[in-house]
Amino acid sequence: GQNIDQPTEMTATEGAIVQINCTYQTSGFNGLFWYQQHAGEAPTFLSYNVLDGLEEKGRFSSFLSRSKGYSYLLLKELQMKDSASYLCAVIESNYQLIWGAGTKLIIKP
Amino acid sequence: ETGVTQTPRHLVMGMTNKKSLKCEQHLGHNAMYWYKQSAKKPLELMFVYNFKEQTENNSVPSRFSPECPNSSHLFLHLHTLQPEDSALYLCASSQEGGGAGEQYFGPGTRLTVT
Repeated sequence: GQNIDQPTEMTATEGAIVQINCTYQTSGFNGLFWYQQHAGEAPTFLSYNVLDGLEEKGRFSSFLSRSKGYSYLLLKELQMKDSASYLCAVIESNYQLIWGAGTKLIIKP
Repeated sequence: ETGVTQTPRHLVMGMTNKKSLKCEQHLGHNAMYWYKQSAKKPLELMFVYNFKEQTENNSVPSRFSPECPNSSHLFLHLHTLQPEDSALYLCASSQEGGGAGEQYFGPGTRLTVT
């Protein structure tokens, strides 16, 4: 069946680095998204991976291993404004989008 | 600031009420979506419209009735809801239908059913 796993909650310190993992078991694979959602706000697009490897975009990077059904989002030089939920979503072979429950990231001073 | 707006932002309704949620996108996209977001659960896709035609209905109860009069507007009509329907209802749009493209979300309507 379809399944996407992310940790429910993580805590990190301002200025540090944090890695949020996402593992998936889906019916085929056509890409993986990461979205950021601040409390009470809309999810916003962060990254898209369809090939294996690391995609870097400023302080945020996203990694994909299709053979392992695994992705991570790496956040560097953490800032207080990075406190948010991070949602992993996988595009299945029929182009249906399957969402994880999200990881709530708490940044402490 | 996103190009997708939703009204109202908050709604409290009784189980016998009828209300409607509205979504409007100003991005020229062809696909629009309704999602339900409950605490600590994955986003649940409810309906998909592509070029005004409904292309997906994920076994949503009939007390939720979508309407898409044009590519820019999407409504969700609500009637005789249950307390378990209380959630954040998100609207999204994308350039094309299906899950392949980046989706742009509205801020959501926080619905409470009493």
